[in-house]
Amino acid sequence: DIVMTQSPDSLAVSLGERATINCKSSQSVLYSSNNKNYLAWYQQKPGQPPKLLIYWASTRESGVPDRFSGSGSGTDFTLTISSLQAEDVAVYYCQQYYSTLLFTFGPGTKVDIK
Amino acid sequence: QVQLQESGPGLVKPSETLSLTCAVSGYSISSGYYWGWIRQPPGKGLEWIGSIYHSGSTYYNPSLKSRVTISVDTSKNQFSLKLSSVTAADTAVYYCARRSLETSFDYWGQGTLVTVSS
Repeated sequence: DIVMTQSPDSLAVSLGERATINCKSSQSVLYSSNNKNYLAWYQQKPGQPPKLLIYWASTRESGVPDRFSGSGSGTDFTLTISSLQAEDVAVYYCQQYYSTLLFTFGPGTKVDIK
Repeated sequence: QVQLQESGPGLVKPSETLSLTCAVSGYSISSGYYWGWIRQPPGKGLEWIGSIYHSGSTYYNPSLKSRVTISVDTSKNQFSLKLSSVTAADTAVYYCARRSLETSFDYWGQGTLVTVSS
């Protein structure tokens, strides 16, 4: 199984400031055949389903604000919110889809306003 | 716009079978993609249960495989989940979602809370 870990568990950031969330996979999620990292980021607000933000580690889903960006490769990834807005308060999950036999999610990182 | 909607009993007794259906609108299941179920215990993280291709090929989480069956009904444009021998540990919000090979889970239902209790 590919185990996903995230850090920190939670963070509080002032409005307009940068928020950074880290995600690590227990093995590489980079497919050498197409040089794509099979890593997605989701945002989940209370009482709502997760919303896809980023796929292939760094490609923003259509309609996602450009203050959200993803980076990293192999086993280490980062989600950055460049200028935190009030509506960004949520739990953020990373997920690997490299292993099609078992998709796994990180434990989540809660983002609040300081 | 692709929309998914879960339906089914909100309360299931221990040892019985949990049954949920996901109705899809705005896209024909028979046209492609994978369709899956993910659950989230109250206050906890996300767990993938399994997925089905429009052709009927299924993929299950090994930890649940012995108890899970996912099926598809293309004539009704819906797919279903059955989880047998449930216990309190199966209490969760159950989501259905569309899975793309490129983007992973791109469309989700609103979720339905299933409580296992006598």
